[in-house]
Amino acid sequence: AQTVTQSQPEMSVQEAETVTLSCTYDTSESDYYLFWYKQPPSRQMILVIRQEAYKQQNATENRFSVNFQKAAKSFSLKISDSQLGDAAMYFCAYRSARAGANSKLTFGKGITLSVRP
Amino acid sequence: DVKVTQSSRYLVKRTGEKVFLECVQDMDHENMFWYRQDPGLGLRLIYFSYDVKMKEKGDIPEGYSVSREKKERFSLILESASTNQTSMYLCASSLTSGRVGALDEQYFGPGTRLTVT
Repeated sequence: AQTVTQSQPEMSVQEAETVTLSCTYDTSESDYYLFWYKQPPSRQMILVIRQEAYKQQNATENRFSVNFQKAAKSFSLKISDSQLGDAAMYFCAYRSARAGANSKLTFGKGITLSVRP
Repeated sequence: DVKVTQSSRYLVKRTGEKVFLECVQDMDHENMFWYRQDPGLGLRLIYFSYDVKMKEKGDIPEGYSVSREKKERFSLILESASTNQTSMYLCASSLTSGRVGALDEQYFGPGTRLTVT
């Protein structure tokens, strides 16, 4: 079974600074997807960024980028130029891409990010 | 935009009551999911459905059942609510399953905070 580990329960960053959120995962599969989801205090979860394991290039979405290290099974999220609206809980998630796999996501426990003005 | 709605944001029920949590999506998604979210535990999958009248157990199905009579609606049922089912319940939906999954983003509802007293 796959597991996703987010070892830091909380982090804090100064507005306009850069912060990196860590995530590691364990799987025996070679083909999969990884996601970062954001859950603001309003509670609606939204997708921040996704990475396909077969792609070597790290995904980027505006101020959000990932550092995907397949061999190390590491998938960290970097938020540049942090804004007050980035304050939220962030979840790392894994999904298998093997043939016949369903759409189940396995989530980490989440990390609460606070942004200091 | 995809919209996933849940019938209640807050719900208070008594121990032993039968509880229905409703979820509706408006984008013709095949897959629908029910999660519960607890502090320090992240999101845990209760049940999911990949088609009308089809369902599969997730990681923590005990004490829950589900119903999917129409494609857009997925109901979570607590047959006899207990205090340990006090939690935040999140519904999600996604378009496809299997290998196409690059587009298989899960869209979440706003959540239902259920308190069982």
